[in-house]
Amino acid sequence: GQNIDQPTEMTATEGAIVQINCTYQTSGFNGLFWYQQHAGEAPTFLSYNVLDGLEEKGRFSSFLSRSKGYSYLLLKELQMKDSASYLCAVRGARTGGSYIPTFGRGTSLIVHP
Amino acid sequence: NAGVMQNPRHLVRRRGQEARLRCSPVKGHSHVYWYRQLPEEGLKFMVYLQKENIIDESGMPKERFSAEFPKEGPSILRIQQVVRGDSAAYFCASLLTSQETQYFGPGTRLLVL
Repeated sequence: GQNIDQPTEMTATEGAIVQINCTYQTSGFNGLFWYQQHAGEAPTFLSYNVLDGLEEKGRFSSFLSRSKGYSYLLLKELQMKDSASYLCAVRGARTGGSYIPTFGRGTSLIVHP
Repeated sequence: NAGVMQNPRHLVRRRGQEARLRCSPVKGHSHVYWYRQLPEEGLKFMVYLQKENIIDESGMPKERFSAEFPKEGPSILRIQQVVRGDSAAYFCASLLTSQETQYFGPGTRLLVL
């Protein structure tokens, strides 16, 4: 089976740095995704990791350790507009001809002035 | 959101009626996933389709739910005899191949009265 764990809610101050953790147990591994979802809107792709290490993209970075089943999303220079839910999703082993990603419940990030 | 279109954006149905949700993928994408999302919860996989084929429907209830992706036209998720528990946001995501990143549409919010 697949299990994705991430904190339910986090708060941070504008201009600060926040790290959102995600741990997973999956049968097989074919990549980990982070999505941002504002209330009432569609998830928007942020990052993709398939190899260990850090992927940096502007203010956002994502880290992966496959041996530990662990990832984090790092947000720097927080802005008010970063208040959103952040979804961790893992694509497990190919089953029945398809790769079905499993999503965590999301971490609701609240950025305050 | 890379051009994925969903309609309607909001749908209200009374118990027992039928709901039809449409998803037009990014032009050239032949893979579509449907997800359901309840408030404060993650995305739950329902069904994965390629043009004219259902690849994986393991997340879709056997009764009342069906999905198709015809050669021409949008993908359709159909819910017959809706019940209050069907109230949720339904998202589709399209991708070029099964290994690519998913791009989500804006979702259809179904409310069953």
